[in-house]
Amino acid sequence: EVQLVESGGGLVQPGGSLRLSCTASGFTFSNYWMHWVRQAAGKGLVWVSLISPDGSTTRHADSVKGRFTISRDNAKNTLYLQMNSLRIEDTALYYCLRDTGDWSFDYWGQGSLVTVSS
Amino acid sequence: QSALTQPRSVSGSPGQSVTISCTGTSNDVGGYNFVSWYQRHPGKAPKLMIYDVSKRPSGVPDRFSGSKSGNTASLTISGLQAEDEADYFCCSYAGSFINSVFGPGTTVTVL
Repeated sequence: EVQLVESGGGLVQPGGSLRLSCTASGFTFSNYWMHWVRQAAGKGLVWVSLISPDGSTTRHADSVKGRFTISRDNAKNTLYLQMNSLRIEDTALYYCLRDTGDWSFDYWGQGSLVTVSS
Repeated sequence: QSALTQPRSVSGSPGQSVTISCTGTSNDVGGYNFVSWYQRHPGKAPKLMIYDVSKRPSGVPDRFSGSKSGNTASLTISGLQAEDEADYFCCSYAGSFINSVFGPGTTVTVL
């Protein structure tokens, strides 16, 4: 059974850092593009970052560029999102997603809540 | 505010058909055949229902169908069943820099 389990969320002050993890199981993690998306309370989903199967290609939304870094450890079947210089507007539920290869997402994690507040 | 526009809710009786629209621009929905639809029940992870505008993943009933015309994509549920009551949101590829954009979701109510 395919599973994506996020962890690492929590409460952090503006300007602080957090690292989210997404542990994958039930499939060959190293074969898939992976993404992070987020959803603030009462708002729609917003794409955040993507990474290629071997980690050589990454992309980030303009809103997080220079502050967030997506990475992966295929030996540990784990996807990461390093979030620095956090802002109040980064407060959201963060999901990791598996890309089908057709710009759609066939598996989603349950989400990890990040709250940025003083 | 979401990049794509969907109606807030639609409803229908069991056995009827409902259609949910998803309107974007020529930079996303209209520019690529990479529209996908997701079903989300409360407290559960979203489930992929349609990809590449009109393709169904294995295991998705054929009462779910997708289409696109111009900048608007649509999801139709035919023969509505009680278990179809859920939120449905759309997603479109929007180019290599923005990547993906999402709709806000539509609540489907089975009367």
